[in-house]
Amino acid sequence: QAVVTQEPSLTVSPGGTVTLTCASSTGVVTSGHYPYWFQQKPGQAPRTLIHDVNYKHSWTPARFSGSLLGGKAALTLSGAQPEDEADYYCILSYSGVGVFGGGTKLTVL
Amino acid sequence: EVQLLESGGGLVQPGGSLRLSCVASGFTFSTYGMSWVRQAPGKGLEWVSAISGGGDFTSYADSVKARFIISRDNSKNTLHLQVNSLRADDTAIYYCAKGLGVSATNPDYWGQGTLVTVSS
Repeated sequence: QAVVTQEPSLTVSPGGTVTLTCASSTGVVTSGHYPYWFQQKPGQAPRTLIHDVNYKHSWTPARFSGSLLGGKAALTLSGAQPEDEADYYCILSYSGVGVFGGGTKLTVL
Repeated sequence: EVQLLESGGGLVQPGGSLRLSCVASGFTFSTYGMSWVRQAPGKGLEWVSAISGGGDFTSYADSVKARFIISRDNSKNTLHLQVNSLRADDTAIYYCAKGLGVSATNPDYWGQGTLVTVSS
């Protein structure tokens, strides 16, 4: 089973920009891995921010965007807000089997 | 409004079994793939299993293959996960999730989860 790797932790200043990445042990991440990004706050179920590389849901704040960057999936937060402090997870699909990354704990400080 | 309501969790002894259920509403259940994702206490998310809208395609994580069985009853808008031969490391919140299409295996819209505790 493939391994998906994320930064364990990142810190961003309020109003700043940060990019979280999602790498695959099998090589370059492509749209065929259907990368998704999720946000989870303490005590809550996860919610989907980005699906299929860069598509947003109606509830996704405009400051979040998804992309493919340097062979990885990426989630960029532009103009961080205190309420963005949370755990962020990506998932990649390998022929119908999903694999989550270990998650990134994002601190807004 | 999409709603997913999980049930069936609880305390079970090692080696035991449970049947988790997820009742869906607010969408045409049979036209969406569904999945289960779990989260051990204080740990990250782990994708467990998925099933296509018609139930003809299923997939499993290596960690649960041959022990867990995913199924669905489209007449009752219900998703199931039969969990067998439970081990301590199966202790987790189990989330039911709706996919974005009939063959979707990624979770998109999440339920609130049901807690499974494996302990003697």
